[in-house]
Amino acid sequence: NAGVMQNPRHLVRRRGQEARLRCSPMKGHSHVYWYRQLPEEGLKFMVYLQKENIIDESGMPKERFSAEFPKEGPSILRIQQVVRGDSAAYFCASSPDSTGELFFGEGSRLTVL
Amino acid sequence: DQQVKQNSPSLSVQEGRISILNCDYTNSMFDYFLWYKKYPAEGPTFLISISSIKDKNEDGRFTVFLNKSAKHLSLHIVPSQPGDSAVYFCAASDIRGNKLVFGAGTILRVKS
Repeated sequence: NAGVMQNPRHLVRRRGQEARLRCSPMKGHSHVYWYRQLPEEGLKFMVYLQKENIIDESGMPKERFSAEFPKEGPSILRIQQVVRGDSAAYFCASSPDSTGELFFGEGSRLTVL
Repeated sequence: DQQVKQNSPSLSVQEGRISILNCDYTNSMFDYFLWYKKYPAEGPTFLISISSIKDKNEDGRFTVFLNKSAKHLSLHIVPSQPGDSAVYFCAASDIRGNKLVFGAGTILRVKS
């Protein structure tokens, strides 16, 4: 009975490289959320997606960041040309509908050298 | 602009005593509040929630109190157990469970 699966758990990138973080929601969940946690801070909302649609990306930086949730396969958070300030824990959460409890994955920790 | 504030970075409590974690919010549009618990290297797990139409919700050892006029909520854990040691995040939304706004968290240590 898999929960929300995120991979990789840890990712190291050099400045200027690309980072791709993947999230498979819980079975039966079609709503996916991405949050970022910077050191010593709470989780900050980035983007809310349903299958093939971005519902709310108000928390996503306008440049270098993109997210998708294709019809088949996991949701992907893509960060292009990473900078040191992108180093953080990125959490994915899923829910069965837009008003349900969020179930979080264990997070992907990105370190930019 | 911190819409949800947890002003105590950490709290230390003796096993068996009550733990009280506090949270303040500024956005009067928030109408649903949640507490999440997080262990190191794990994702947050849902603990308890409360709607703005209530002032108290209880689930076993956990009780959440909401004071809308003061824009304040608190989580009470009694009796506290060593396994409760974790980071506790307060979160709020204006649509139930959607686009949560989190506080910075409070580290709870329960000493045996």
